Amino acid sequence: GNSVTQMEGPVTLSEEAFLTINCTYTATGYPSLFWYVQYPGEGLQLLLKATKADDKGSNKGFEATYRKETTSFHLEKGSVQVSDSAVYFCALREYGNKLVFGAGTILRVKS
Amino acid sequence: GAVVSQHPSWVICKSGTSVKIECRSLDFQATTMFWYRQFPKQSLMLMATSNEGSKATYEQGVEKDKFLINHASLTLSTLTVTSAHPEDSSFYICSATAETGELFFGEGSRLTVL
Repeated sequence: GNSVTQMEGPVTLSEEAFLTINCTYTATGYPSLFWYVQYPGEGLQLLLKATKADDKGSNKGFEATYRKETTSFHLEKGSVQVSDSAVYFCALREYGNKLVFGAGTILRVKS
Repeated sequence: GAVVSQHPSWVICKSGTSVKIECRSLDFQATTMFWYRQFPKQSLMLMATSNEGSKATYEQGVEKDKFLINHASLTLSTLTVTSAHPEDSSFYICSATAETGELFFGEGSRLTVL
């Protein structure tokens, strides 16, 4: 079946550091790919998405590019802030709008 | 933006009792809602797809009689954990599909069974 693998955390960075959270997937066909963020005490929120190969999703300074060749969708941000501290989930969408999630990566940003 | 609300946000119950968790789409109608379960430090696992006016579709390995799902209206789905046991303790999250096709998630409900 389809699956998503993302790097284990927690990832601890200083403010203004560069962030990369790796995500790779296994799927039949070319599913849409997503990054969701979960801030403490809140529900998951869509951060960005890409629906086809070579698409780049971006939002709030975060970016991720759909790489078909490497089946990857790595999340990047050039300069993180303390407010970016959260859990980040990579996901792919199957038929029927079902989402398959990665395990989540905790990001902690220190001032 | 669209809002999905879950209630209660946390609940503690005794083993053997049943617990109901509600998922509401506050400002849109959701023909489809999804229920997920999240174990500590693990990912969200889809439990079932809830369709308004019809029976829920459960994922393999999820006990239908244990986790009762009702989607009685376009804005409400409920998950009832029947005869709860400590191993049912978990974080339960719902999501709802808006007319645009986008998914919105509830805040989650933490169940602790003593």
